[in-house]
Amino acid sequence: GNSVTQMEGPVTLSEEAFLTINCTYTATGYPSLFWYVQYPGEGLQLLLKATKADDKGSNKGFEATYRKETTSFHLEKGSVQVSDSAVYFCALKYSSASKIIFGSGTRLSIRP
Amino acid sequence: DAGVIQSPRHEVTEMGQEVTLRCKPISGHDYLFWYRQTMMRGLELLIYFNNNVPIDDSGMPEDRFSAKMPNASFSTLKIQPSEPRDSAVYFCASSFTALEDTIYFGEGSWLTVV
Repeated sequence: GNSVTQMEGPVTLSEEAFLTINCTYTATGYPSLFWYVQYPGEGLQLLLKATKADDKGSNKGFEATYRKETTSFHLEKGSVQVSDSAVYFCALKYSSASKIIFGSGTRLSIRP
Repeated sequence: DAGVIQSPRHEVTEMGQEVTLRCKPISGHDYLFWYRQTMMRGLELLIYFNNNVPIDDSGMPEDRFSAKMPNASFSTLKIQPSEPRDSAVYFCASSFTALEDTIYFGEGSWLTVV
């Protein structure tokens, strides 16, 4: 079946460090891929998305590229800030389907 | 436009009591989802509705859980009787259509059953 696997956290980095959170997926066809972010005490909100192979989603300095050959959608940011501390969820969805399939989430903590 | 509105934000209740969580989706959205989030199991889809009709409730953990959507602007998730293992954050989310990529989450209802 369709699934999303993300690297386990927590991930702890110092401010201005480079960030990578790995995400791989198992799916047939061509789903859309997403990263959602959950800040403390809040619900999830969309961070970025990519709808086809080789597309790059970007927002707030974060980027992720849809790699069909490796079935991956890794999240990257060149220089993290304390305010980026949150839980990050990788997800996939087919355009014809209603449900989004979420990964287990990766908690990110940034030290000043 | 207001986002997805959930109530209560926090609830502490005793084991055996009935708990009712409420959700108002974004106006005009056709789909409504109920999720549960725990440290152990992460984010789980419990049930979702399309045009007020339950489509998939395979994630509902057991008969103690029930969900209704009497109209397009209101849904409830009820737990009766509640148990300590039901302690979690319950999220409601909505989206415009099945073709809409993005779903919009409420801020969650934090439930503690003691």
